[in-house]
Amino acid sequence: DGGITQSPKYLFRKEGQNVTLSCEQNLNHDAMYWYRQDPGQGLRLIYYSQIVNDFQKGDIAEGYSVSREKKESFPLTVTSAQKNPTAFYLCASSRQGTGGYTFGSGTRLTVV
Amino acid sequence: AQSVTQLDSQVPVFEEAPVELRCNYSSSVSVYLFWYVQYPNQGLQLLLKYLSGSTLVESINGFEAEFNKSQTSFHLRKPSVHISDTAEYFCAVSAGGATNKLIFGTGTLLAVQP
Repeated sequence: DGGITQSPKYLFRKEGQNVTLSCEQNLNHDAMYWYRQDPGQGLRLIYYSQIVNDFQKGDIAEGYSVSREKKESFPLTVTSAQKNPTAFYLCASSRQGTGGYTFGSGTRLTVV
Repeated sequence: AQSVTQLDSQVPVFEEAPVELRCNYSSSVSVYLFWYVQYPNQGLQLLLKYLSGSTLVESINGFEAEFNKSQTSFHLRKPSVHISDTAEYFCAVSAGGATNKLIFGTGTLLAVQP
């Protein structure tokens, strides 16, 4: 079955370290997105990509970086510049047009 | 630009009672509207969506939502809730097109009590 896979499910990081969250989809979707979720704040867009080798900043891109070298993959790196990285991170993908998103199951990042 | 407002951060309700989760949006263009459900420590799942046509849309598990253009609302309703409906519900709006970005509300926690 097609879907979108995020790994790992839980991730612990020491302050000052970069960490990369994986997101892979086999839905043949063109667009992919990264959201951050904090309690009471809903979902905030970090980065999105509509085609391979192209991506745009979302509302809270500072301290994060992404790449889109393959259609299926959209990894997110949380850098040491991100001041408050502890959060639940969600990856999503979609077709161009009117369709909704398909979400992964999320990665919970905790800075220790 | 679009925006979404979910005024109720939490809605407590007894099992088998009806419920309505409110969603209002603002947009200067035609929109597509979505409701997503999130169970603890999981991703979001699409519950139902309005793209065009009939303004009343239904999900397979008894939820329904009605698109009201004049009131810019897309409220979610269920006539009788179950304990298993306890989850966070997100309303989202998109202008569609090439960008197809979804704008999410802050979510409503539906807490069903026995």
